[in-house]
Amino acid sequence: SQTIHQWPATLVQPVGSPLSLECTVEGTSNPNLYWYRQAAGRGLQLLFYSVGIGQISSEVPQNLSASRPQDRQFILSSKKLLLSDSGFYLCAWSPFNGYGYTFGSGTRLTVV
Amino acid sequence: DAKTTQPNSMESNEEEPVHLPCNHSTISGTDYIHWYRQLPSQGPEYVIHGLTSNVNNRMASLAIAEDRKSSTLILHRATLRDAAVYYCILRGAGGTSYGKLTFGQGTILTVHP
Repeated sequence: SQTIHQWPATLVQPVGSPLSLECTVEGTSNPNLYWYRQAAGRGLQLLFYSVGIGQISSEVPQNLSASRPQDRQFILSSKKLLLSDSGFYLCAWSPFNGYGYTFGSGTRLTVV
Repeated sequence: DAKTTQPNSMESNEEEPVHLPCNHSTISGTDYIHWYRQLPSQGPEYVIHGLTSNVNNRMASLAIAEDRKSSTLILHRATLRDAAVYYCILRGAGGTSYGKLTFGQGTILTVHP
């Protein structure tokens, strides 16, 4: 069966520090991968999505970047965190030709 | 992306049915209607989806209006574990919206014992 792993679960980082959040999917090949951010408890904002290795689409301009070095690995990064980067970050995958997203358990990032 | 409109919040009693409405008057012919729910501090969970016909699964039923401009998620017997934020989302089947889910604010469902 397919599983999605996302870590860490919580993270407290100072302003200006770098960020790296990792997401991996098991049990499937060539998934579509997504990074979402949720601020203030509701409303998920799509940040990045990828349909293949090295293929990244950005939905909103921001202080973050994403990379997909392997088929089932998706990384969210920042060189210098801002206070406004705080939020609940969720990774998700969907079959490349199917329907239904599966979300990871999320990372709660607090920038202080 | 076509937009959906949901009530901000709804309440129900345990063991009673719940009907969660969603309006999507600008839906296109190829948009699928998806429902997800999110429990506190967790990622969203897929509930159900449909295109034109009503759909049933072990979690819920989805009733789609004949003109597809609205739909209703039906929880047949609400339990305390159904308390969550419910999102109604239109998923494009092609073009630039392919595969992407755009979440709105959703409906906060409170279930009373």
